[in-house]
Amino acid sequence: ILNVEQSPQSLHVQEGDSTNFTCSFPSSNFYALHWYRWETAKSPEALFVMTLNGDEKKKGRISATLNTKEGYSYLYIKGSQPEDSATYLCAPSNTGNQFYFGTGTSLTVIP
Amino acid sequence: KAGVTQTPRYLIKTRGQQVTLSCSPISGHRSVSWYQQTPGQGLQFLFEYFSETQRNKGNFPGRFSGRQFSNSRSEMNVSTLELGDSALYLCASSLVAGGNSPLHFGNGTRLTVT
Repeated sequence: ILNVEQSPQSLHVQEGDSTNFTCSFPSSNFYALHWYRWETAKSPEALFVMTLNGDEKKKGRISATLNTKEGYSYLYIKGSQPEDSATYLCAPSNTGNQFYFGTGTSLTVIP
Repeated sequence: KAGVTQTPRYLIKTRGQQVTLSCSPISGHRSVSWYQQTPGQGLQFLFEYFSETQRNKGNFPGRFSGRQFSNSRSEMNVSTLELGDSALYLCASSLVAGGNSPLHFGNGTRLTVT
């Protein structure tokens, strides 16, 4: 079982602010790191999958980086919008397709 | 392309009963996994199926079981329900099963045990 920690647990930002969250995980027994966005009343939606140390992925105003040697990933949101309000989950996975989800960072963007 | 479909959306059962949840993956996806979410907890891995074989099982008691059919549809069964089994149960499918393919989640089944 992997101990995955996400911080902060929750965050309130003003519209237009940029923000970032952290996902920490044991660097051993790791194959890929996934980020998901989970909006209220919807199902989790995949944002990024990263496997290599130093990987950076970008999707619009959202980007993520991965450091496999020290076991952490950052998710950045530039110019937050109200529609970015959601819980952001990270999950390292092993080659057996077993995912270990953190408890998430709940983001609220205030208009 | 249809997404992952879970039925039913809501269930209310009493302690001691059993329940079966169903999941239809995205067409072409052969890996189906199940997760439990309770308040304050992250998504907890239950099990994963690929080509009708259970490949991984999480740290849950034997009351939790599942199976996958030849068309990749999966069912999850919980016997002798306990109050602590009240949770949101999510099913997810993926195209490949190597850990680097994103999961596609259904809307979940909300189980309440009274």
